[in-house]
Amino acid sequence: GENVEQHPSTLSVQEGDSAVIKCTYSDSASNYFPWYKQELGKRPQLIIDIRSNVGEKKDQRIAVTLNKTAKHFSLHITETQPEDSAVYFCAASKTGANNLFFGTGTRLTVIP
Amino acid sequence: NAGVTQTPKFRILKIGQSMTLQCAQDMNHNYMYWYRQDPGMGLKLIYYSVGAGITDKGEVPNGYNVSRSTTEDFPLRLELAAPSQTSVYFCASSPSSRLAGTDTQYFGPGTRLTVL
Repeated sequence: GENVEQHPSTLSVQEGDSAVIKCTYSDSASNYFPWYKQELGKRPQLIIDIRSNVGEKKDQRIAVTLNKTAKHFSLHITETQPEDSAVYFCAASKTGANNLFFGTGTRLTVIP
Repeated sequence: NAGVTQTPKFRILKIGQSMTLQCAQDMNHNYMYWYRQDPGMGLKLIYYSVGAGITDKGEVPNGYNVSRSTTEDFPLRLELAAPSQTSVYFCASSPSSRLAGTDTQYFGPGTRLTVL
């Protein structure tokens, strides 16, 4: 099955700096890559996703890039704010499957 | 819309007890899922359903059972609770059309279960 690895496990940045979280996947057939944000004690919430026919996608301060050849994708958050502090999960799945395979999460702390 | 709802929010069970975790969605989604999230870890799929009357195993199904008699409800049953089942359980749903690329999963608020 699919194996998704996520790095780093913890990340601290100063407010206003950028944060980058990286994930790799093993199944070359995977074609859907969402990112979820989970605040303490809350449910995971989708913040952005990308499909394999696109190399990059942006939504305001958040962007995701995908390198299919290297089988990795990254989340970029610019101009970080304290409210960006949370655990971020990447995931991967493929058409025809019903699993989302999750990474182990990155705890992002934005220092005011 | 309430979205995906789960009950109870918290539960403590003794080893060997049974319980049912409830999940409901009012978005008319065909696909529903149960995940568990262990401390400091990502989510792992327990069971999923692509429609009423259809269920299938995920990565970690042992010790659990599910049923899907309606589109709205997808309960998860623990028959003989074990300490290894201590976790936070999330239910999720997604729209039905994979051909349309609608893979987005919407999560419920979770149930925190402790087995002592």
